[in-house]
Amino acid sequence: GAGVSQSPSNKVTEKGKDVELRCDPISGHTALYWYRQSLGQGLEFLIYFQGNSAPDKSGLPSDRFSAERTGGSVSTLTIQRTQQEDSAVYLCASSLIRSEEETQYFGPGTRLLVL
Amino acid sequence: AQKITQTQPGMFVQEKEAVTLDCTYDTSDPSYGLFWYKQPSSGEMIFLIYQGSYDQQNATEGRYSLNFQKARKSANLVISASQLGDSAMYFCAMRELSSQGGSEKLVFGKGTKLTVNP
Repeated sequence: GAGVSQSPSNKVTEKGKDVELRCDPISGHTALYWYRQSLGQGLEFLIYFQGNSAPDKSGLPSDRFSAERTGGSVSTLTIQRTQQEDSAVYLCASSLIRSEEETQYFGPGTRLLVL
Repeated sequence: AQKITQTQPGMFVQEKEAVTLDCTYDTSDPSYGLFWYKQPSSGEMIFLIYQGSYDQQNATEGRYSLNFQKARKSANLVISASQLGDSAMYFCAMRELSSQGGSEKLVFGKGTKLTVNP
């Protein structure tokens, strides 16, 4: 079966522009996460969606970052007025809320470079 | 607050030998889950193995095993019979289980870069 997919795989933008990153979770997975990985660092949690519940936005670094999930499936992470420090790999993950394990499966990421 | 510590920025191992990657964690929650992920140079995070805090036995998945010492709050990954394709970054992560159910975010360590030499 298909895994988590993300698009674009790479994005180069100019400082001040807005960007949209897309995530298609594994079919049937109810939970969706966005993480950010800066160069040489571990992953930093950004936002979490679970079913129809209000998203957990506690990891978003500023109000320039927002995300939505339409129809309980596809999610879009939007960064407005991009800054150079936003350059990172943005990873999306999904999981099935079924057992204690609830493994998160990751997509290939979007590599964002802000010039 | 949660914290994951991976003290080995880099590790080297000869092909076919075993290697242990260290991970210690800090949590006050009695219920939590521990994960190891592999990140090759392509960038994708690949799930390797899971250990629940209440599991009585150490987790194993093929050549991967987890040396779980709850009292010491350590969850070291053991890779047996290393292969060249094992060269990658390895991340330890923890999730605390919500008392209300549902999934929680993962908190990651900074990773260990493993190099397997021929």
